[in-house]
Amino acid sequence: DGGITQSPKYLFRKEGQNVTLSCEQNLNHDAMYWYRQDPGQGLRLIYYSQIVNDFQKGDIAEGYSVSREKKESFPLTVTSAQKNPTAFYLCASTPGLTGGYTFGSGTRLTVV
Amino acid sequence: RKEVEQDPGPFNVPEGATVAFNCTYSNSASQSFFWYRQDCRKEPKLLMSVYSSGNEDGRFTAQLNRASQYISLLIRDSKLSDSATYLCVVTPGDSSYKLIFGSGTRLLVRP
Repeated sequence: DGGITQSPKYLFRKEGQNVTLSCEQNLNHDAMYWYRQDPGQGLRLIYYSQIVNDFQKGDIAEGYSVSREKKESFPLTVTSAQKNPTAFYLCASTPGLTGGYTFGSGTRLTVV
Repeated sequence: RKEVEQDPGPFNVPEGATVAFNCTYSNSASQSFFWYRQDCRKEPKLLMSVYSSGNEDGRFTAQLNRASQYISLLIRDSKLSDSATYLCVVTPGDSSYKLIFGSGTRLLVRP
């Protein structure tokens, strides 16, 4: 079945570490996105990519980096520069302008 | 002003009740509109798209008012399983595919 796979489901990061969250889709969608959700709040866009080898910053890109070397994959690195990384991270994809998003099941990142 | 605004609730209603949520958006160029449902600690899932003529899917009805820049969701005959957070979602009106999410309205349906 087609879908989006995010891993790991839970991730613990020590202060000063970089960590990478994986997002893989087999839906043949062109566009992929990373969102962050804090408790009781809406989703905020971190980065998005509409085609391979191209990506744009969203509203809260500072402290994050991405790559889009393959259509299927859009990994997110949370760097040590991100001062408050504890959150629920959601990856999504869409086939185009009128389609809704398909979301992965998310990664919960906690700083310890 | 937030791009998409929703009443956070919670709306606490008995089973069988009819409940309505409104959402306002600030960008008049927005073209596409959606309602998503998010269960506690889960990813959002598309509930329905919102069309200019309004649309219905079983117990759910969505309406769009472009002049006043608001979207509504009506749920009839509420079920316990409808308890969730409902997210209003719009496109920014540019050529990107990105979506802008409201903070969500929480619905609690009690027996």
